Amino acid sequence: AQSVTQLGSHVSVSEGALVLLRCNYSSSVPPYLFWYVQYPNQGLQLLLKYTSAATLVKGINGFEAEFKKSETSFHLTKPSAHMSDAAEYFCAVSDRQTGGFKTIFGAGTRLFVKA
Amino acid sequence: NAGVMQNPRHLVRRRGQEARLRCSPMKGHSHVYWYRQLPEEGLKFMVYLQKENIIDESGMPKERFSAEFPKEGPSILRIQQVVRGDSAAYFCASSPIQPNPGELFFGEGSRLTVL
Repeated sequence: AQSVTQLGSHVSVSEGALVLLRCNYSSSVPPYLFWYVQYPNQGLQLLLKYTSAATLVKGINGFEAEFKKSETSFHLTKPSAHMSDAAEYFCAVSDRQTGGFKTIFGAGTRLFVKA
Repeated sequence: NAGVMQNPRHLVRRRGQEARLRCSPMKGHSHVYWYRQLPEEGLKFMVYLQKENIIDESGMPKERFSAEFPKEGPSILRIQQVVRGDSAAYFCASSPIQPNPGELFFGEGSRLTVL
């Protein structure tokens, strides 16, 4: 069965500093991996996705993530944090099952950005 | 192209009443997912449906909860005899099978408060 672990429920960085949000997954088949962002009182929006093409994936708002099969990781990074990046971030894994795809989310990491 | 539409956005019910949450997927999407989000927790998978068919309901409580996605009209998540523990945000997402398997498009959620 698939699962997702996000290390750190809260991460705080200074504006301009590196953002690193960690995600490890478990899946019995090659997975599809995603990062989503959630702003207060809103639904989730897709940041980026890995679908077995390039292992380094670039997303919106300057975020990127690297798929490392040997480490079963898909960590999210951004070189320089901006105040507007403050939000909750969810890593997700999706794999095929009968009838379609089932997506499981991690518990989320709330990112705080200090001025 | 309209996004995923959920209504109501906010719903207040007293213990023992019924709650009905509706979700209209994006145009052209034939798969609907329901997730529940509790404060400080991630999204918990509840159920995954196609038109007139439940694909996976492994995350649904065995009692009081049901979901449907009829041939015509929105998907409905129904909670009978609500209890305070049902208070949460319920998110609906839709997905095409191709060309982006596993990618979900979220509504803004329905926030249920049980008094």
